[in-house]
Amino acid sequence: NAGVMQNPRHLVRRRGQEARLRCSPVKGHSHVYWYRQLPEEGLKFMVYLQKENIIDESGMPKERFSAEFPKEGPSILRIQQVVRGDSAAYFCASSSGGVVETQYFGPGTRLLVL
Amino acid sequence: AQSVTQLDSHVSVSEGTPVLLRCNYSSSYSPSLFWYVQHPNKGLQLLLKYTSAATLVKGINGFEAEFKKSETSFHLTKPSAHMSDAAEYFCVVSGVYSGGGADGLTFGKGTHLIIQP
Repeated sequence: NAGVMQNPRHLVRRRGQEARLRCSPVKGHSHVYWYRQLPEEGLKFMVYLQKENIIDESGMPKERFSAEFPKEGPSILRIQQVVRGDSAAYFCASSSGGVVETQYFGPGTRLLVL
Repeated sequence: AQSVTQLDSHVSVSEGTPVLLRCNYSSSYSPSLFWYVQHPNKGLQLLLKYTSAATLVKGINGFEAEFKKSETSFHLTKPSAHMSDAAEYFCVVSGVYSGGGADGLTFGKGTHLIIQP
């Protein structure tokens, strides 16, 4: 079974450009979560999605960040007009259900903003 | 709101000696608790999970953790460290009203485990 897949693994952007991060969940999982890890820190929850719905985006900045999980295809985390402070590792996790189900993590996308 | 405190940012042990990584949590509800491991430049791997069944939870690679409600602790242990155990370890809490949102996980800041040869 393939685990959670994320691409690209590394992404370099200049300030003001857009970053688009993709996450393909474990086959059969319909719940996707995005987390951000800043250097020397733990992961911080950003957003929780089910197919075609945003369930909880309380951890996601209101400006420039958006996420989607369409009926077909991967989940996308989009960061517009990136700034240096957006440099971080972004992890996607998936589960087969809500809070009681284990979340399985992808390898992460490391974003560097120059 | 829920929170997790990992009491040591770095722990160094010699190969073959016991490992203890400490974690305290606070929660208004019966939490689910996890330990994840992250090797350099890799994703997170689930070591073990507590969900109100047995208080002593056995995980992969010889790790185990004991849930102690009276002490609000969930410390991770291993009897004998191996060089391959060197990594970052995260204590994680989840619950209906976790600090990260209804279904998000709340992570501790991590403990860097160093294994001396």
